[in-house]
Amino acid sequence: SQTIHQWPATLVQPVGSPLSLECTVEGTSNPNLYWYRQAAGRGLQLLFYSVGIGQISSEVPQNLSASRPQDRQFILSSKKLLLSDSGFYLCAWSVRVSLAKNIQYFGAGTRLSVL
Amino acid sequence: RKEVEQDPGPFNVPEGATVAFNCTYSNSASQSFFWYRQDCRKEPKLLMSVYSSGNEDGRFTAQLNRASQYISLLIRDSKLSDSATYLCVVSLGTSGTYKYIFGTGTRLKVLA
Repeated sequence: SQTIHQWPATLVQPVGSPLSLECTVEGTSNPNLYWYRQAAGRGLQLLFYSVGIGQISSEVPQNLSASRPQDRQFILSSKKLLLSDSGFYLCAWSVRVSLAKNIQYFGAGTRLSVL
Repeated sequence: RKEVEQDPGPFNVPEGATVAFNCTYSNSASQSFFWYRQDCRKEPKLLMSVYSSGNEDGRFTAQLNRASQYISLLIRDSKLSDSATYLCVVSLGTSGTYKYIFGTGTRLKVLA
């Protein structure tokens, strides 16, 4: 069965510090991968998605970047965090094979507080 | 206009009640539709996919109206454990690339 791992679960970082969040998927090949952010009391905002190794699409201009160095690894990074980067970061994956099966599954999330 | 709109609630209902949520979407090219459930401070989890013919899973019934571009979720015999935020999701895309648009969610509180 497929599983998605995301870490760390919580993170407290000072303004201006770097960030690296990692997400890995097991039990599937060539998935679509996604990074979302959910601010307190808000909906999910799509940040990046990837359809393959090295292929990253950015949805909103921001202080963050993403990379996909391996098929089932997706990394979210920042060189210098801002207060506004605080939020709940969620990694997700979906299959690519058919429209009927394109359900999206989420990792447990990382709660980031920038102070 | 938001791409996916939901009434944020909260809907406060007694145990055993029937409650319905609606969701509208703006992009007529949307291809797949889902309801997710999100508990406080947790990740969203798939509740059910929504099919054009309507579908039922136990106490939950989902309907899709493509002509009017809305999706509904009906919960019968509400349980305390149904308290959560319900997210309406639509997806669209081609050639294996699917994007998902989330509503901001409808909060449900089931009261004893």
